[in-house]
Amino acid sequence: QVQLQESGPGLVKPSETLSLTCTVSGGSIDTYYWSWIRQPPGKELEWIGYIHYSGSTNYNPSLKSRVAISVDMSKNQFSLRVSSATAADTAVYYCARSSYGDHFLIFDPWGQGTLVTVSS
Amino acid sequence: QSVLTQPPSASGTPGQRVTISCSGSSSNIGSNTVNWYQQLPGTAPKLLVYSNIQRPSGVPDRFSGSKSGTSASLAISGLRPEDEADYYCAAWDDSVNAVYVFGTGTKVTVL
Repeated sequence: QVQLQESGPGLVKPSETLSLTCTVSGGSIDTYYWSWIRQPPGKELEWIGYIHYSGSTNYNPSLKSRVAISVDMSKNQFSLRVSSATAADTAVYYCARSSYGDHFLIFDPWGQGTLVTVSS
Repeated sequence: QSVLTQPPSASGTPGQRVTISCSGSSSNIGSNTVNWYQQLPGTAPKLLVYSNIQRPSGVPDRFSGSKSGTSASLAISGLRPEDEADYYCAAWDDSVNAVYVFGTGTKVTVL
């Protein structure tokens, strides 16, 4: 049974880079796609982007200029970087295994999530 | 604000049937499949329905999805106290720059 676990700093200063890692256990990262999703406190979910183990990526256009997702197959991990962080990036960040195809993108399962606060 | 609109709340007593709507357009629900996620208080979302009507293994058949035109619905029959949660629809939106979008979310309360 695949499990995902997010890790990284819980506090980031404004203008700095937010960095998170998702560790995949119980399955290999060299299948499926792998996504990041976030949820600001009390608000709806927002898709950030996904990566395929081959390295191909797709990002939310609203975040594309500041976001990068990478994969480390040797560690069975994938990572998220969000540059020039502002208070608007404060959210619970989730990683998820993803199934992708024509007209669909499915997130299952999800990690438990990690709260990142952007504040000085 | 999301392009997929859901009612902010819905409620029912145990055993009742509750339906949640998800209203979109031709660029999202009208041309792509819809998924539904359940988010219990303080936990990560969980896949409830995918490809409009399919249930992952382990999801009770009390939960059912449907889609017609540019709208989708999630029905919960035989409502139980443990169904109290936030529910989100989701789909690709192909307008100008393709983006995957979640609905505004519906809080289901079991009275």
